[in-house]
Amino acid sequence: AQSVTQPDIHITVSEGASLELRCNYSYGATPYLFWYVQSPGQGLQLLLKYFSGDTLVQGIKGFEAEFKRSQSSFNLRKPSVHWSDAAEYFCAVAPPWRFSGGYNKLIFGAGTRLAVHP
Amino acid sequence: NAGVTQTPKFQVLKTGQSMTLQCAQDMNHEYMSWYRQDPGMGLRLIHYSVGAGITDQGEVPNGYNVSRSTTEDFPLRLLSAAPSQTSVYFCASWGGGKTEAFFGQGTRLTVV
Repeated sequence: AQSVTQPDIHITVSEGASLELRCNYSYGATPYLFWYVQSPGQGLQLLLKYFSGDTLVQGIKGFEAEFKRSQSSFNLRKPSVHWSDAAEYFCAVAPPWRFSGGYNKLIFGAGTRLAVHP
Repeated sequence: NAGVTQTPKFQVLKTGQSMTLQCAQDMNHEYMSWYRQDPGMGLRLIHYSVGAGITDQGEVPNGYNVSRSTTEDFPLRLLSAAPSQTSVYFCASWGGGKTEAFFGQGTRLTVV
């Protein structure tokens, strides 16, 4: 079945440490890929997106993500985490034409909740 | 520029009651969607629309109805509320393709 998987439900890192959040998708073709962040009690904010081209994309707040076609992955990274990065992070995909009539809806993963220790 | 406006922000319903969650956008986006967010399950797509008069089911459509008579509005109807529909609901608006989706601030619904 087509899906978006975020294997890590909770991650805890120390402030200043590096971060990598995993995202895998299972569509036969490459979807459009997104990462969103949701702070407690808040709405969703787009961190970055990938459509095609350069596989390393830069986003806001110092985040970046790398698309790896061979692994069907789109992992989110940050070199040095700040306490304010504590939030829930969602990977989302817009499935390609074969699966939905063409990039016309967003499917979300279950999310990864990030805690940051001082 | 209001973006995506959801009303109400909070609602408590009794089992069996009906209600409509409102969603309006002022960006002339063709695509609109409704999601529910439950702990540990992310945002699950309930229904979506690709234009006025065109709607389709998402991942968890049972118990919900939608219609899209105008580009701006995409209401979500609960015909007979059940406790399993207790959740936070988000409406999204999207120009489609290589653009950013915008989300409302959410409606926290409790069914008792």
